[in-house]
Amino acid sequence: GAVVSQHPSRVICKSGTSVKIECRSLDFQATTMFWYRQFPKQSLMLMATSNEGSKATYEQGVEKDKFLINHASLTLSTLTVTSAHPEDSSFYICSASSLGETQYFGPGTRLLVL
Amino acid sequence: RKEVEQDPGPFNVPEGATVAFNCTYSNSASQSFFWYRQDCRKEPKLLMSVYSSGNEDGRFTAQLNRASQYISLLIRDSKLSDSATYLCVVNMGDTGRRALTFGSGTRLQVQP
Repeated sequence: GAVVSQHPSRVICKSGTSVKIECRSLDFQATTMFWYRQFPKQSLMLMATSNEGSKATYEQGVEKDKFLINHASLTLSTLTVTSAHPEDSSFYICSASSLGETQYFGPGTRLLVL
Repeated sequence: RKEVEQDPGPFNVPEGATVAFNCTYSNSASQSFFWYRQDCRKEPKLLMSVYSSGNEDGRFTAQLNRASQYISLLIRDSKLSDSATYLCVVNMGDTGRRALTFGSGTRLQVQP
């Protein structure tokens, strides 16, 4: 149990386009979903926390207008990178948790912006 | 100072060796502690939670020292499959915030 999926697993796009990444909890209801970003050889950095039905809470330095997060249901959260630029190229990972503390991670999405 | 600090390694050890990793955290109010394992280009996977009394899961032993604000992970009888990056993870316990803070990881390479 406790499976989280992400789609797509990999995306290559041109600079200036928008990219949507989906995060789904497949066998449990996720009251909270987290979005992280990981650059090569660095640790995961939390970007934002989203609770179902409410606005996401963004970490300092993360532009909410650039990284749009929607958590419309208990099993789906989406992250949209708007007007992507090469510096946005990274490994984006979501995690989901129910009422408990354990977070279950999705397999991640590799974004390459040309 | 980083919130969660780890020696990046790499630790190169032969099969069967015992290896220990340490991690320090800055926030004394931190509530929960974990070790995650991350394989190359993959997502982190929970290895074990860390409790004040210390806990063991097979070849893995984790310990927490709240007074010194450090966490350790001991791996006995290392296997080739243990090669990965080990992430020290802390829940800082901010009100209403259950997000995790990750260390940058310690890389382990077990050699035949």
